[in-house]
Amino acid sequence: EAGVTQFPSHSVIEKGQTVTLRCDPISGHDNLYWYRRVMGKEIKFLLHFVKESKQDESGMPNNRFLAERTGGTYSTLKVQPAELEDSGVYFCASSQVSSTSPQYFGPGTRLTVL
Amino acid sequence: AQKITQTQPGMFVQEKEAVTLDCTYDTSDPSYGLFWYKQPSSGEMIFLIYQGSYDQQNATEGRYSLNFQKARKSANLVISASQLGDSAMYFCAMRPSMNRDDKIIFGKGTRLHILP
Repeated sequence: EAGVTQFPSHSVIEKGQTVTLRCDPISGHDNLYWYRRVMGKEIKFLLHFVKESKQDESGMPNNRFLAERTGGTYSTLKVQPAELEDSGVYFCASSQVSSTSPQYFGPGTRLTVL
Repeated sequence: AQKITQTQPGMFVQEKEAVTLDCTYDTSDPSYGLFWYKQPSSGEMIFLIYQGSYDQQNATEGRYSLNFQKARKSANLVISASQLGDSAMYFCAMRPSMNRDDKIIFGKGTRLHILP
């Protein structure tokens, strides 16, 4: 069974540009989460989808971040316009709904904003 | 406040020795879940072990065991017979609510170095 996949693995952009990160969850997992780790700090929650609905977006830092999950399959996280402080590793995770099974993480996208 | 604390930023351990990685947590919810993840240098986050707050026995998965002491709010990871491939960053994490779909909170991590 394929795990959570993320694309791209790395992205280097200039301040003010736009970047879109993609996450493909494990097939059958209705829960999809985005997390971010800024250098030297804890991994922080950004938002949570159940199928195509945003269940919790309390961790989204500001309105420059837009997440979508059309059709309840893959998700995208767009940063527009990117700022220097957006640099970090963006992780996606998925899990089955209402299960004790853990959240399975993807390999992350390392975003560098210059 | 809901929080995970990992007090060991780094550890060096001789190969084949047992390792204990410390983790304490704070939550006011009576039902919660505790996790450990491993992040090797390649960057992916690998799930290792899970402990539910109402589980009577400590969780075990192969060489990994979770030393769960509820009264002390600690959830230490024990790795038996360490191997060179165990060198990685280890994160303790908590789902601090009864909602099994809820977000999880991470500690800052412990970087483990296994010495040959």
